[in-house]
Amino acid sequence: AQKVTQAQTEISVVEKEDVTLDCVYETRDTTYYLFWYKQPPSGELVFLIRRNSFDEQNEISGRYSWNFQKSTSSFNFTITASQVVDSAVYFCALWYDYKLSFGAGTTVTVRA
Amino acid sequence: AAGVIQSPRHLIKEKRETATLKCYPIPRHDTVYWYQQGPGQDPQFLISFYEKMQSDKGSIPDRFSAQQFSDYHSELNMSSLELGDSALYFCASSLGFGGRGSGNTIYFGEGSWLTVV
Repeated sequence: AQKVTQAQTEISVVEKEDVTLDCVYETRDTTYYLFWYKQPPSGELVFLIRRNSFDEQNEISGRYSWNFQKSTSSFNFTITASQVVDSAVYFCALWYDYKLSFGAGTTVTVRA
Repeated sequence: AAGVIQSPRHLIKEKRETATLKCYPIPRHDTVYWYQQGPGQDPQFLISFYEKMQSDKGSIPDRFSAQQFSDYHSELNMSSLELGDSALYFCASSLGFGGRGSGNTIYFGEGSWLTVV
């Protein structure tokens, strides 16, 4: 089966705390692509990152960082020094069969 | 940079009515996807088009149909609307398929909120 599991339903933190979102995936393919999207309360889906299965290099973009580990089939996402504007639902997604399949999402609430 | 444009942004329809959603992909993108997101749910794939041909179909009701036109814009037609069709409908686009070696990112529009009353 090909699927994405985001075990954390909701995470609540105080501003400036770090928060890590877990994403575990299952796939039969040797070539695959993983994505993270952010959905703020306004509803749009904002692309954050795309990673292919051949590139296990971790990535950092400002306060965002991603840890891709094929050995554990995980593609975790960390927000460092969280801010209120980071409050959103975050989706991890797996590309297979010519479409994206999303995890259930993790709701992050950052309190001032 | 130009993004995926969806219209209308909000739509209220009565049961059994028909609704049409439009999607204008990012310029030069040739692949369009439609997703449906119910309240508190993750987006669910409905249908996709590549170069104006339907390429894949997900859990799309028979009451729904879609097409991609010569200018690559797409329309999702929903007939005999039911209360359960109330959802946020996303269109997304990419250049070629976003995987299987093409390695292209899929960008989503802001979504169309459909409320069926």
